[in-house]
Amino acid sequence: GAVVSQHPSRVICKSGTSVKIECRSLDFQATTMFWYRQFPKQSLMLMATSNEGSKATYEQGVEKDKFLINHASLTLSTLTVTSAHPEDSSFYICSARDRAGADTQYFGPGTRLTVL
Amino acid sequence: EDQVTQSPEALRLQEGESSSLNCSYTVSGLRGLFWYRQDPGKGPEFLFTLYSAGEEKEKERLKATLTKKESFLHITAPKPEDSATYLCAVQNRGSTLGRLYFGRGTQLTVWP
Repeated sequence: GAVVSQHPSRVICKSGTSVKIECRSLDFQATTMFWYRQFPKQSLMLMATSNEGSKATYEQGVEKDKFLINHASLTLSTLTVTSAHPEDSSFYICSARDRAGADTQYFGPGTRLTVL
Repeated sequence: EDQVTQSPEALRLQEGESSSLNCSYTVSGLRGLFWYRQDPGKGPEFLFTLYSAGEEKEKERLKATLTKKESFLHITAPKPEDSATYLCAVQNRGSTLGRLYFGRGTQLTVWP
């Protein structure tokens, strides 16, 4: 149980294009989903928190117009990196919190974004 | 401000050599402390949640313990497949959304 998927696992795009990453909870309903960014050999940096049906809460320093988050249903959240640039290249990971009240976040496998 | 410090940053063990990883935390009110394992290029895999001082949880060769200031992840007779980065995170009781504060992790290497 508690499986979270992400798609795609890897994406390479040209500078200036937009990229959408999907995060799905496969066997549970997630009230809250989280988006993280991870640089090589560093820990996870929280970018934003999203609740189903409401606007995402962004961490300080994260541009909300650049990283668009949509939590359309209890099993799906998307992160769109708009007008991507090479400095946006990173490992993006989502997590989901079980609606059943547990505090544990379950993580997806991550998406490696490379912007050329 | 909620903070998590993990030590050591890196640990090399010979197969079968038991050891412990440390997670020291500062939080205004602890809701839960979490241990995750992360393999290179993958998302963190949930291991344990601890809620109160004195609590212990075990899974195979791993045992997590919690005090009011720190948590330990004990690894008994490790195998090479235990090599990974182990992440510790805390959740503040006051957080309605369940935000986690992560440490930098301990990179464990177990050699045969």
